[in-house]
Amino acid sequence: TQLLEQSPQFLSIQEGENLTVYCNSSSVFSSLQWYRQEPGEGPVLLVTVVTGGEVKKLKRLTFQFGDARKDSSLHITAAQPGDTGLYLCAGVGAGNNRKLIWGLGTSLAVNP
Amino acid sequence: KAGVTQTPRYLIKTRGQQVTLSCSPISGHRSVSWYQQTPGQGLQFLFEYFSETQRNKGNFPGRFSGRQFSNSRSEMNVSTLELGDSALYLCASSLDGPTRAGELFFGEGSRLTVL
Repeated sequence: TQLLEQSPQFLSIQEGENLTVYCNSSSVFSSLQWYRQEPGEGPVLLVTVVTGGEVKKLKRLTFQFGDARKDSSLHITAAQPGDTGLYLCAGVGAGNNRKLIWGLGTSLAVNP
Repeated sequence: KAGVTQTPRYLIKTRGQQVTLSCSPISGHRSVSWYQQTPGQGLQFLFEYFSETQRNKGNFPGRFSGRQFSNSRSEMNVSTLELGDSALYLCASSLDGPTRAGELFFGEGSRLTVL
């Protein structure tokens, strides 16, 4: 069974701090998606990483896919209160197993 | 374009009752998938419908069922409600579906509380 472990589970920081969220697995994924879910809303796709070692930037957010395509990280620079939410990673199985596997999420609170 | 619409947003039921939730996908999307979200279990896949056919199913009991209409709108039904069914039920539409690794567009969810 493919599993995706996200860490930390909870994170509370002050505005302006940097943070990194991790998404790890022992399985290889063909691609990995990151979503953010704000309170009372559904998840919204932030980025999809496909190639091992790939780095994508979305303003102050930097996403990296591990070289072996088993893990990914999300780094936020100078966090703002608007970054508060639940960050979810979802991996697409490799080969014929293309099911979407979800992590449990990292709940981030950025305090002003 | 209009997003994914889920109704109702909030509902309260008692044990033993049944509930029907509705989802209207983005125009042109033929795949609708349903998820149950709880704090302890995260997002759990219920099932996916594509062109009125159930294409994939998660590990939920038969009390959970769904269907999709010719206009791609989908409904899910939970019968004989249990306390543990209290959760946020999310609908996601996409061109290809979660089993094809397509980008998912989620609705705001239906918050079900079972008393």
